[in-house]
Formats: sequence, C-alpha cells, structure tokens
Amino acid sequence: GENVEQHPSTLSVQEGDSAVIKCTYSDSASNYFPWYKQELGKRPQLIIDIRSNVGEKKDQRIAVTLNKTAKHFSLHITETQPEDSAVYFCAASINSGYALNFGKGTSLLVTP
Amino acid sequence: DAGVIQSPRHEVTEMGQEVTLRCKPISGHDYLFWYRQTMMRGLELLIYFNNNVPIDDSGMPEDRFSAKMPNASFSTLKIQPSEPRDSAVYFCASSSWRGIASLGTDTQYFGPGTRLTVL
Repeated sequence: GENVEQHPSTLSVQEGDSAVIKCTYSDSASNYFPWYKQELGKRPQLIIDIRSNVGEKKDQRIAVTLNKTAKHFSLHITETQPEDSAVYFCAASINSGYALNFGKGTSLLVTP
Repeated sequence: DAGVIQSPRHEVTEMGQEVTLRCKPISGHDYLFWYRQTMMRGLELLIYFNNNVPIDDSGMPEDRFSAKMPNASFSTLKIQPSEPRDSAVYFCASSSWRGIASLGTDTQYFGPGTRLTVL
C-alpha cells in the first residue's frame, strides 16, 4: 500500500517550547490529512485535520500545514505543556479518502 | 452519544483458540474500520466496511482472520486459530460520508480497543 513516513520517531522539548512533527506521503490522490494524539493505554483521538483544498489550519496552540506539491504536511504545537506528552500519528487518506494510512508515530515528551 | 463500543476490553487466550472481537459503531455512521496496533508495525488497517459491505480487506494478514458486519450497529473480527504473533491492540473506528465526493469521509472515531494476548 501507499506509505506515510513520519519524523522524528521521538521528540523531547522543554515546556513552553514549540514542537514540529513532519510527514510525507506518496499517494497523489490523498486529500485528507488528520493528526491523532494517543495517550498511553488510550485510543487515538483526532486533534486537527486538513483537507487538500486548504494549505494551513490552526486551532489554538496547534497548527497543521500542507504542501501538496511536495507531498508533505506538518504538525506544529506551540507553548508546549506537560499534558501534550503523548504519541502523535499523522495519516493520509487512501485514494478517495474512505480509509487512512497512518505514520509510525512520534513520541513527544514535554519536560517541565 | 456513547461513542464506538468494543468488547471485550482485554482477552487472554491460548494458541489455537478462536477469538472474536466485537464492535458497535456510532449510530448513523456508515463506515467501519478495523485496525491492529503493535509496537513494531504501528497502526495497520485490516478491513473496512461501507453500509455493512466489506470494501477493502487487503490488510487482513491471513485466512485465519475474518470480519463480518451483519447490520449497521454490529461488527465482528474473528481469528481462528489464534497465534502468539496475533497479540496486539485491535481498534474499531467509524465515520460518516461527508456527502461531497471530493472531500471524502468525516473524522474517524476510535473505540477503546481490545488488548489481545495469545499465549
């Protein structure tokens, strides 16, 4: 199947700093790019998503950017807090958008 | 709204036994997805249904795995016979079609997962 590459696999930042996670995808038909946050032992939960007709989207401290030409998208978290510590997954829709391919995840640790 | 419901939450079984995982999607959602999560392979899509019909089962690892959706409010994932390498967390997720083909489906909402251990 089509791949979604996610980097870095681990990220450690100081509280208040920014964190950036990057993903690339290979399916040029992908048109939906969600980001999920998964805390230890919990289910993945959507934190933000972007569709191919938009280049950037922001929700408080979280923003996502999309470059369709380069086939990459990024998650930006500003003013990080310890409760942001979790595993973050990016995903890209497969073909028409009914299913998702997930990246391998980024384990984010925010230290006080 | 109760969200996506999965049962059991934990399952411990012995190699060779049959395992059945259950999922109830969010009412009104017409897409249902089964995922497997392991440290090594991450989140893998196994199969998904639209209006109770299997659309893509290319992610099902072997013939030992089968999934059904007899109605809009219930789906099962069965492993027979189970093997230790099937140990993982299995998630069910559901979503609805946005009604505009070019924009695909809406958010996928995940259930709490079933942690399967095969000894």
